[in-house]
Amino acid sequence: QVQLQESGPGLVKPSETLSLTCSVSGGSINSGGYFWTWIRQHPRRGLEWIGSIYYNGITYYNPSLRSGVSISMDTSANQFSLSLTSVTAADTAVYYCARGNLRWKEVDFWGQGTLVTVSP
Amino acid sequence: DIQMTQSPSSLSASVGDRVTVTCRANQSIDNYLNWFQQKPGKAPKLLIYAASSLHSGVPSGFSGSGSGTDFTLTISSLQPGDFATYYCQQSFRTPFTFGQGTKLEIK
Repeated sequence: QVQLQESGPGLVKPSETLSLTCSVSGGSINSGGYFWTWIRQHPRRGLEWIGSIYYNGITYYNPSLRSGVSISMDTSANQFSLSLTSVTAADTAVYYCARGNLRWKEVDFWGQGTLVTVSP
Repeated sequence: DIQMTQSPSSLSASVGDRVTVTCRANQSIDNYLNWFQQKPGKAPKLLIYAASSLHSGVPSGFSGSGSGTDFTLTISSLQPGDFATYYCQQSFRTPFTFGQGTKLEIK
């Protein structure tokens, strides 16, 4: 069974770059049939899809998150990463990495989530 | 973006009750509708995908139906572990969007 684990700093200063990595075990991130995604949840609020990277490296991002979002993958380490530049307090959230299936695009396995706080 | 609207926002029910949560999309999403359960401090868990397909390991008391713009999640007989927040999500078109959630509480 695939497992995902987020890692990265829990505190980021305003205007700096938020960087998170998701380590995947139990499956290869460049195997066909899947995509890898980042989703966040603001405190006491709902869920927001950030973007996805497919097994072939193609990416899709949420336009509402401005142009500062980037998702990349490191197949040798079996990891994928999120970069969000010029963060503000509005980017404070729990960040989840997860796996999706290509057929119906459902997200079936999630990491436990990591809280990132944007504060001076 | 496709907007997803759930109703009700909260619901009080008792163990053994049959419960239905509704999700509506503001445009057709075919059957690209997923349901998640989330408990406090935990990641969401996939319950239903493709509107009506039960994810592996999910109890058969959960079921989903609908297509196009209107969908429902039904729990046939509430169990103590079912009290949680439920989210629908469309995976028809990016950005994939979620409903605002339905909090199911014990009456």
